[in-house]
Amino acid sequence: GENVEQHPSTLSVQEGDSAVIKCTYSDSASNYFPWYKQELGKGPQLIIDIRSNVGEKKDQRIAVTLNKTAKHFSLHITETQPEDSAVYFCAASIRDTGRRALTFGSGTRLQVQP
Amino acid sequence: DTAVSQTPKYLVTQMGNDKSIKCEQNLGHDTMYWYKQDSKKFLKIMFSYNNKELIINETVPNRFSPKSPDKAHLNLHINSLELGDSAVYFCASSPSTRDSPLHFGNGTRLTVT
Repeated sequence: GENVEQHPSTLSVQEGDSAVIKCTYSDSASNYFPWYKQELGKGPQLIIDIRSNVGEKKDQRIAVTLNKTAKHFSLHITETQPEDSAVYFCAASIRDTGRRALTFGSGTRLQVQP
Repeated sequence: DTAVSQTPKYLVTQMGNDKSIKCEQNLGHDTMYWYKQDSKKFLKIMFSYNNKELIINETVPNRFSPKSPDKAHLNLHINSLELGDSAVYFCASSPSTRDSPLHFGNGTRLTVT
């Protein structure tokens, strides 16, 4: 089955600094890699995603990189703000006949200190 | 306005009881899911339905029974609740079974005493 490992489990940065969260996956058939942000009392919300035919994608202060050879992908948040504080999850999807499920990493609690 | 809505938001009940959680999505998506989030925040898929048909059924006790009356609704019924069932349950939907993002509801926090 698909395994997704995520590091670090907690991350504290100063406002304005960058934050990087890394994930590795085990199944080379994975080809879709979304990132979710979960705020307290809410469901996870998609913030950015990347597909296996792309190495990097950027959306304002958020970027994701993918290295298919090494089977790892990372989330980069620049110029962090207090409202970026949340739990972030990476996920990977397997393409399989008639079946698809996202397998999630264990989450990273990001704390941005003002 | 809410895209994926679940009720109730909180559910406190005693061991042995039977309870249901309801989910509705107004996004026109074909696929719906139930995920369980434990106390350590780990998210694990339980079930997936595509156009009312069960397509994923992970290793979940058969006390848990999903029901999809139409493609906009996916309810979760739990029989004989146990302490270990305490968790946050999230409903989600996606446009298809292919690689597309999930849209999550805000969760139902179930506490079994």
